[in-house]
Amino acid sequence: AQKITQTQPGMFVQEKEAVTLDCTYDTSDPSYGLFWYKQPSSGEMIFLIYQGSYDQQNATEGRYSLNFQKARKSANLVISASQLGDSAMYFCAMREENDKLSFGAGTTVTVRA
Amino acid sequence: ETGVTQTPRHLVMGMTNKKSLKCEQHLGHNAMYWYKQSAKKPLELMFVYSLEERVENNSVPSRFSPECPNSSHLFLHLHTLQPEDSALYLCASSQDNPDNYGYTFGSGTRLTVV
Repeated sequence: AQKITQTQPGMFVQEKEAVTLDCTYDTSDPSYGLFWYKQPSSGEMIFLIYQGSYDQQNATEGRYSLNFQKARKSANLVISASQLGDSAMYFCAMREENDKLSFGAGTTVTVRA
Repeated sequence: ETGVTQTPRHLVMGMTNKKSLKCEQHLGHNAMYWYKQSAKKPLELMFVYSLEERVENNSVPSRFSPECPNSSHLFLHLHTLQPEDSALYLCASSQDNPDNYGYTFGSGTRLTVV
């Protein structure tokens, strides 16, 4: 069964606007971590933001924020004030108690000028 | 540079060739991973090494052979590959029972099997 689901294969966003990338997850572990990574066309996976399952507040890192809704098992990424350099593939990932990192299929974001 | 270096960045090989991918990290991490990223598919975990011992092999074909001589280096030896093995191969490292920053990835090796 898919542990991480990203339902949006691709999205377009206008420069300077915000975009929300959806992510839902499936786990029975009481403790887990949720991550978002950015993958530009060059290939490297760049860590963006982390949310622990016990964290009370939503994580924020600069223009990135994670909308964590534990009961709904969702961890959506919000990118505010989009820039042309934000065009990339974005992956949601989950680390369970076995320490393995599972990835979703990814969402391609294209920022338009 | 992320702290995890992969070489080569690009590799084209024939089905009868033998080649090796190299991954190196100097972050003090004690776990290293190989992932395969094919087009339009989620990243697939291939191998996990923790404290230089292989702890996971996700049913990867024997034509892929990993080697972890020490905690800083990880290799993926390739032989008699198939065209469907063409993909981006990503190496990652982490501290076992990592803190909240998960894995650090390299830039990947883009492999084409002809």
